[in-house]
Amino acid sequence: EVQLVESGGGLVQPGGSLRLSCAASGFTFKNHWMSWVRQAPGKGLEWVADIKQDGSEIYYVDSVKGRFTISRDNAKNSLYLQMNSLRAEDTAVYYCARATEIRGYTAYDKDWGQGTLVTVSS
Amino acid sequence: QLVLTQSPSASASLGASVKLTCTLSSGHSSNAIAWHQQQPEKGPRYLMKLNSDGSHTKGDGIPDRFSGSSSGAVRYLTISSLQSEDEADYYCQTWDTGIRVFGGGTKLTVL
Repeated sequence: EVQLVESGGGLVQPGGSLRLSCAASGFTFKNHWMSWVRQAPGKGLEWVADIKQDGSEIYYVDSVKGRFTISRDNAKNSLYLQMNSLRAEDTAVYYCARATEIRGYTAYDKDWGQGTLVTVSS
Repeated sequence: QLVLTQSPSASASLGASVKLTCTLSSGHSSNAIAWHQQQPEKGPRYLMKLNSDGSHTKGDGIPDRFSGSSSGAVRYLTISSLQSEDEADYYCQTWDTGIRVFGGGTKLTVL
């Protein structure tokens, strides 16, 4: 059974930093693209970032470019999201997801974690 | 620009059927999409991948009551024999090189 467990969320002041982690199990982590998706309170889903199996390709939504960094450790079956220069509009539940691959690129998310809440407020 | 448009809300009676829509933006009418379900206070759950020809691949354990179809730039999710646990938000998702997009979601109420 695929399991994705996020951690690291919490309350942070505007301009601050936070690092999210996602522990993966139940599948061969190193063989899959992974992603982060977020959901602001009462709002819809928003794709945030993708990382290729070996970390050689990374993509971000424009609103987080230059502030967020996605990374992975295949030896630890773990996915990370380093978030810097946080803004109020980054407040959301952040989900880790296992993405499918079509023609060498990420397609849809097939497995999801339960999410971790990040609140950016003074 | 790659955009998915969904109606904000839908409703149908217990035991009835409902058809949700997801419309692809101009120039992207051949894109495949995925449908996801999000029950209250839960994480999303993958339902199916839906191709432009209407063929679809469902996730593990997804009941036969859930089906997909396509017409032009519109992708449909049909839920038959509605049950109370189908009351949820439904999101469509599509992709292109280096970008992935979700629709705004449809809140389904089971009456």
